[in-house]
Amino acid sequence: SAVISQKPSRDICQRGTSLTIQCQVDSQVTMMFWYRQQPGQSLTLIATANQGSEATYESGFVIDKFPISRPNLTFSTLTVSNMSPEDSSIYLCSAGPRTENTEAFFGQGTRLTVV
Amino acid sequence: GDSVTQMEGPVTLSEEAFLTINCTYTATGYPSLFWYVQYPGEGLQLLLKATKADDKGSNKGFEATYRKETTSFHLEKGSVQVSDSAVYFCALSGRDTGRRALTFGSGTRLQVQP
Repeated sequence: SAVISQKPSRDICQRGTSLTIQCQVDSQVTMMFWYRQQPGQSLTLIATANQGSEATYESGFVIDKFPISRPNLTFSTLTVSNMSPEDSSIYLCSAGPRTENTEAFFGQGTRLTVV
Repeated sequence: GDSVTQMEGPVTLSEEAFLTINCTYTATGYPSLFWYVQYPGEGLQLLLKATKADDKGSNKGFEATYRKETTSFHLEKGSVQVSDSAVYFCALSGRDTGRRALTFGSGTRLQVQP
């Protein structure tokens, strides 16, 4: 299993500013992901955080808006840039799965409100 | 691409009632299937999983059986409790090793009343 610490747990931010969310895993993992969960919605994959290389973004998400760092196998950050109220969501970090038969683990999430 | 379809919520039940939350999937090959639960204000926790056809995952009184013929993974519990109130997500992990991220259903909110 893996324990994931994510911070901040919540924040209220002014539009036009940026917020960086940190994700720390208690063990080395190959795969780390960032998801967005809009109010009352399911989880949408933003990107795969690749260690030592640029993140792989899903359709509709771009690096300029959601820059991601992955300096090592236990840590990643997601920045939400130039925020607008539409960015108000829960952002979730995930580690794994290690194989197609194993589960992924999730952080507690960051509840972001943009005013 | 892969997709997961869940029944719409919210589902409102009285304590000790029987619960079924339907989940069907579309995927290439034989994915692994999961149910995750999200309690209010918390992240996602794995509830149970099944990795091949006819497998039954079970945990905390919840069960789900991997049905390949109907591409389904319905969640059931014989007697729900107030503490089961949460949002339940069905998810799959595809066999494409280039994409290990899970694909989630829309989530079903369960409200259990005393």
